[in-house]
Amino acid sequence: DGGITQSPKYLFRKEGQNVTLSCEQNLNHDAMYWYRQDPGQGLRLIYYSQIVNDFQKGDIAEGYSVSREKKESFPLTVTSAQKNPTAFYLCASSLLTGMTNTGELFFGEGSRLTVL
Amino acid sequence: QQPVQSPQAVILREGEDAVINCSSSKALYSVHWYRQKHGEAPVFLMILLKGGEQKGHEKISASFNEKKQQSSLYLTASQLSYSGTYFCGTKSNFGNEKLTFGTGTRLTIIP
Repeated sequence: DGGITQSPKYLFRKEGQNVTLSCEQNLNHDAMYWYRQDPGQGLRLIYYSQIVNDFQKGDIAEGYSVSREKKESFPLTVTSAQKNPTAFYLCASSLLTGMTNTGELFFGEGSRLTVL
Repeated sequence: QQPVQSPQAVILREGEDAVINCSSSKALYSVHWYRQKHGEAPVFLMILLKGGEQKGHEKISASFNEKKQQSSLYLTASQLSYSGTYFCGTKSNFGNEKLTFGTGTRLTIIP
């Protein structure tokens, strides 16, 4: 079955440690996204990528880094520079918007990061 | 900058109608609507494109006022399954896949 897989589902880390969240898709989508979800703040865009080896900062990129070495993979690293990393992280993918494509986002199940 | 949604929360009885609004300070190319149930990932409902094209859900409709940079989602004869948090997402330009979501509207349907 096609879809998006995020791992781990739950993650605990100590302050000062970097952590990498995995996101893999087998939908053959070109675009991939990382969003952070906090209560009352909706979904905030961290990074997005429209093509392999290229990515753009979203609205809250500080303290995060990404790579896009393969079309199907878009890992997110939460660095120690991120001041408040405890949150729910959602990865998504989509076809590029076009004449027949809506650019609909398909989401993974999310990763919940807790910093102790 | 995130689109602004209103209301933040609404409680309805089954069968009642609801309207959720989404407003942006930027010119828009498209507006997306998603619903997220508690503990689940958001699910696509509908997209509205500049020029009036609309694609999506059968029982949910929406409007897009390009000049006012606003969209509204209309839920008619609400069912218990409509409960969840609704998010609008906006794209400013064709070819730029950046999708910015609003803060969400929590909809609760009671029997």
